Amino acid sequence: DVKVTQSSRYLVKRTGEKVFLECVQDMDHENMFWYRQDPGLGLRLIYFSYDVKMKEKGDIPEGYSVSREKKERFSLILESASTNQTSMYLCASTLWGRGQDEQYFGPGTRLTVT
Amino acid sequence: AQKITQTQPGMFVQEKEAVTLDCTYDTSDQSYGLFWYKQPSSGEMIFLIYQGSYDEQNATEGRYSLNFQKARKSANLVISASQLGDSAMYFCASEAYGNKLVFGAGTILRVKS
Repeated sequence: DVKVTQSSRYLVKRTGEKVFLECVQDMDHENMFWYRQDPGLGLRLIYFSYDVKMKEKGDIPEGYSVSREKKERFSLILESASTNQTSMYLCASTLWGRGQDEQYFGPGTRLTVT
Repeated sequence: AQKITQTQPGMFVQEKEAVTLDCTYDTSDQSYGLFWYKQPSSGEMIFLIYQGSYDEQNATEGRYSLNFQKARKSANLVISASQLGDSAMYFCASEAYGNKLVFGAGTILRVKS
């Protein structure tokens, strides 16, 4: 069965802390994505990666970085967490190529920055 | 840039009735895909249905169908015979280059018994 897992369901961090959100998929997918979800805004793409060590900025990359050292793992890093980064973070993966390959999502991490 | 508009923040439907969730999209791509996802209160995103821009037939998956009107740039989701378990947030999304998805703001659907 297809599986995307995220390291935490809930996380509380303080302003200024460095935060790591981990995502692992077991489907050998090339593409991996990080989105944040906010009420009234839907999901917005932060970063994505086509392959190991490759990354591209999405629509809202400011304040975030990513790391993909292994194909199955894609990490989102908040270098210095701020209260406006309080949000739900969703990781997804899919096979490379256009078409009807759906994105498979992890369960999400609800991050609160105080 | 692609844009998805879902104009209904919330909808109510009576159990066993059909409901249509609206979605309009804006893209300059000739070839594109449109997706609908369901997000229950538990938070996971569940893929429902896909429509390719060159598909001549409207997509159907069980009780879900997609009313695709290319000239109007609309891709409305129709849920037939609503069930209580259909209560959730529904997102329309379009596929951009690199399999990226652009999402709408979502519609909360509540099914009444």
